[in-house]
Amino acid sequence: NAGVTQTPKFRILKIGQSMTLQCTQDMNHNYMYWYRQDPGMGLKLIYYSVGAGITDKGEVPNGYNVSRSTTEDFPLRLELAAPSQTSVYFCASSYPHPGTDSNQPQHFGDGTRLSIL
Amino acid sequence: GENVEQHPSTLSVQEGDSAVIKCTYSDSASNYFPWYKQELGKGPQLIIDIRSNVGEKKDQRIAVTLNKTAKHFSLHITETQPEDSAVYFCAASRKHTGNQFYFGTGTSLTVIP
Repeated sequence: NAGVTQTPKFRILKIGQSMTLQCTQDMNHNYMYWYRQDPGMGLKLIYYSVGAGITDKGEVPNGYNVSRSTTEDFPLRLELAAPSQTSVYFCASSYPHPGTDSNQPQHFGDGTRLSIL
Repeated sequence: GENVEQHPSTLSVQEGDSAVIKCTYSDSASNYFPWYKQELGKGPQLIIDIRSNVGEKKDQRIAVTLNKTAKHFSLHITETQPEDSAVYFCAASRKHTGNQFYFGTGTSLTVIP
């Protein structure tokens, strides 16, 4: 059971380039999330999805796009990379408690470290 | 939206001593409070969580307390060991929000052997 898998682990981009950060989970979780983590700032939610075909903005969505065509995959797209997007990106997933919408723990991948120069 | 504050940002303790990390939240509707441990180069891992219908929860050397009136919750680690050294994050969440978490800014704990 791999859990949440993120690729690549590291990447260096030039300003203006685009790339997709991949995230896949094998736990059949409906909910998936993308965070960025900057030093001293904790984790900030970029986008989230409560199921295939459904996505919604988090706290810091500008400059990013997502899609959710399957339950397993939730890729994050950077269209025009900017230095401010240098960060560590984490994908997470969770499973809603059936019938109650009680909050459940989120399970995290090991992150993608992205530098934009 | 929710605002979670976490203190201290860094904490050093001698091995065997206790460590306490405190968080406050602003949204009185928040009802779920997980704590995560993040080791270098890894993603956050859940270590304990508490729901608003209880005031305290314990799991071996780790405990969490919740004061809903004051809107704060704390992580207590007893008999600290060097392997407890990591960054700890608190978070708050409420129902019907797609299980969104709002995280504190983290506490870097160092346990000195």
